[in-house]
Amino acid sequence: DAKTTQPPSMDCAEGRAANLPCNHSTISGNEYVYWYRQIHSQGPQYIIHGLKNNETNEMASLIITEDRKSSTLILPHATLRDTAVYYCIVPRFGNEKLTFGTGTRLTIIP
Amino acid sequence: ETGVTQSPTHLIKTRGQQVTLRCSSQSGHNTVSWYQQALGQGPQFIFQYYREEENGRGNFPPRFSGLQFPNYSSELNVNALELDDSALYLCASSYTSGGAEWEQYFGPGTRLTVT
Repeated sequence: DAKTTQPPSMDCAEGRAANLPCNHSTISGNEYVYWYRQIHSQGPQYIIHGLKNNETNEMASLIITEDRKSSTLILPHATLRDTAVYYCIVPRFGNEKLTFGTGTRLTIIP
Repeated sequence: ETGVTQSPTHLIKTRGQQVTLRCSSQSGHNTVSWYQQALGQGPQFIFQYYREEENGRGNFPPRFSGLQFPNYSSELNVNALELDDSALYLCASSYTSGGAEWEQYFGPGTRLTVT
């Protein structure tokens, strides 16, 4: 899997947008960027994925830079339930294995 | 649509014993992956099953084995349990179609404690 780099922790005020960055400078042209999160003591939860275009779903938006070397996950109106570890993953093409790094521990502050 | 379920939720075993963990995949999914998550760490890939055959394996010894059944449910078996096998075991299901996109949906996990 392409190596990803994320800040170890971030805080965000409740109701504000949470912007979580990820660097993946070794990404190949056909590899997708995936985001998962893990709330304490639960299984990881799929959030969103993208290739080169920006993506949005009911949970979040994913902004991928034009050179695809970095991306940002945006939670538009963070709530306390969004407190979790967020993982940015770039699986090797053709390989469904997910390699979880250390992720970003996001804390939403009331 | 039924999500991924795992059983049991908690389990306590003694060193040297054997354990079987079970997973029912999400409806419509044909691939199951297993992960081990030690306390304070991210999940580590154990192996994946597709069409009832192992389709990739992580850095785990042969005493970790698995099965996938025709209904796509799966088992993870661990023999000769060691203290370091204490962890949360996660099952994830997905749909493999030969394309490049796949999301994995995780179950709640089985917490295994080896004493």
